[in-house]
Amino acid sequence: EDQVTQSPEALRLQEGESSSLNCSYTVSGLRGLFWYRQDPGKGPEFLFTLYSAGEEKEKERLKATLTKKESFLHITAPKPEDSATYLCAVDRGSTLGRLYFGRGTQLTVWP
Amino acid sequence: NAGVMQNPRHLVRRRGQEARLRCSPMKGHSHVYWYRQLPEEGLKFMVYLQKENIIDESGMPKERFSAEFPKEGPSILRIQQVVRGDSAAYFCASSPARDFSGNTIYFGEGSWLTVV
Repeated sequence: EDQVTQSPEALRLQEGESSSLNCSYTVSGLRGLFWYRQDPGKGPEFLFTLYSAGEEKEKERLKATLTKKESFLHITAPKPEDSATYLCAVDRGSTLGRLYFGRGTQLTVWP
Repeated sequence: NAGVMQNPRHLVRRRGQEARLRCSPMKGHSHVYWYRQLPEEGLKFMVYLQKENIIDESGMPKERFSAEFPKEGPSILRIQQVVRGDSAAYFCASSPARDFSGNTIYFGEGSWLTVV
């Protein structure tokens, strides 16, 4: 069964059109929730780690938030260079490193 | 992605051959993880290693796959007698510590294996 579900699968935005990506999880004992960005043919690039409900982190046009059941990645005034697949992953164990990934949201921002 | 080095980036093997993928962790990192990304699927954990030790290999297929992280040199993921279903992107990641203390893990650029 899926532990991490991301939606939508694909999202097309016009440059400057803000939106949010969703990551819902069903694991208990969450140790951390991770967001990565992945460009075609590349490895995942670390963006954020969130540890507890209510936590928020920001980086440039991206803001990640966490509740007890889901996380949102808000993209404010996106640019074409923000186009990528955004991956969400959870760590439910006692050891950092074993992450359970969602299938990602493929974001396309057109000029 | 800076610092985790994987090679080769692309590898083509015929069915039945062996594939060896190498990973050098970021400087100062002693923990290595291997993940596999099959076409149209998400990243899946395979194995977690420290120097000379396999800590968690619960994600590894039972046959043909093995991993090591020797005292000297890179970590190696070895796939024997490859089949077409092994075609995938294999990612290595590393972290500086084992305990969950605010550290994160960083991924390499991946090795793309194609079995023909």
